[in-house]
Amino acid sequence: QVQLLQSGAEVKNPGASVKVSCKVSAYMLSKLSMHWVRQTPGEGLEWMGGFDAAYGETIYATKFQGRVTTTEDTSTDTAYMELSSLRSEDTAVYYCTTGVQYYDVNDSRVYWFDTWGQGTRVTVSS
Amino acid sequence: QSVLTQPPSVSAAPGQKVTISCSGSSSNIGKNYVSWYQQVPGTAPKLLIHENKRRPSGIPDRFSGSKSGTSATLAITGLQTGDEADYYCGTWDSSLSAGVFGGGTKLTVL
Repeated sequence: QVQLLQSGAEVKNPGASVKVSCKVSAYMLSKLSMHWVRQTPGEGLEWMGGFDAAYGETIYATKFQGRVTTTEDTSTDTAYMELSSLRSEDTAVYYCTTGVQYYDVNDSRVYWFDTWGQGTRVTVSS
Repeated sequence: QSVLTQPPSVSAAPGQKVTISCSGSSSNIGKNYVSWYQQVPGTAPKLLIHENKRRPSGIPDRFSGSKSGTSATLAITGLQTGDEADYYCGTWDSSLSAGVFGGGTKLTVL
């Protein structure tokens, strides 16, 4: 069974960058579609982006375009999410997650996440 | 402000049934499949339902999902105290070209 192990908590100053890692166990990262979702304090889940199997490319939410970069090291089965120009509103728990994305015969999108990392808390504060 | 709308909280007694609604639009729920997640505070979300009504292996049949038009519903029967958690719906929004989630619903088992 696929397992995702994320890096530890981070504290960053405003304007800095943070890079969170997500190590895949019991499977090959190259066969997964890795995405990133964050959860701000007291708020719900927010999709940030990831490799979309339906499009065959990495896509990002408009809100994070220009500030987020996701990369993968298939030699170590580790995925990374880097968020730059941090501000206080970026204080959140960041999750890596994998799942399924494709279009069915009716052009409806099948889209769900079945494996999640434990989360990485990022605190942005001066 | 979440793209999908859920009630902030629901409650019911042990053994009873509860439903959680998720309202969207023609570009998300109306067009694409819905998934549901359970999150116990302090832990990662857990997939409960995918493709509107399918349960992953290991999820009891007390949990069921349905979709009609631009709304989806999660039903939980035979409520247990262990079901106390936050529940989120999710789908793809074809207009935004983005994954979207509801704001979450806190379930209290009285």
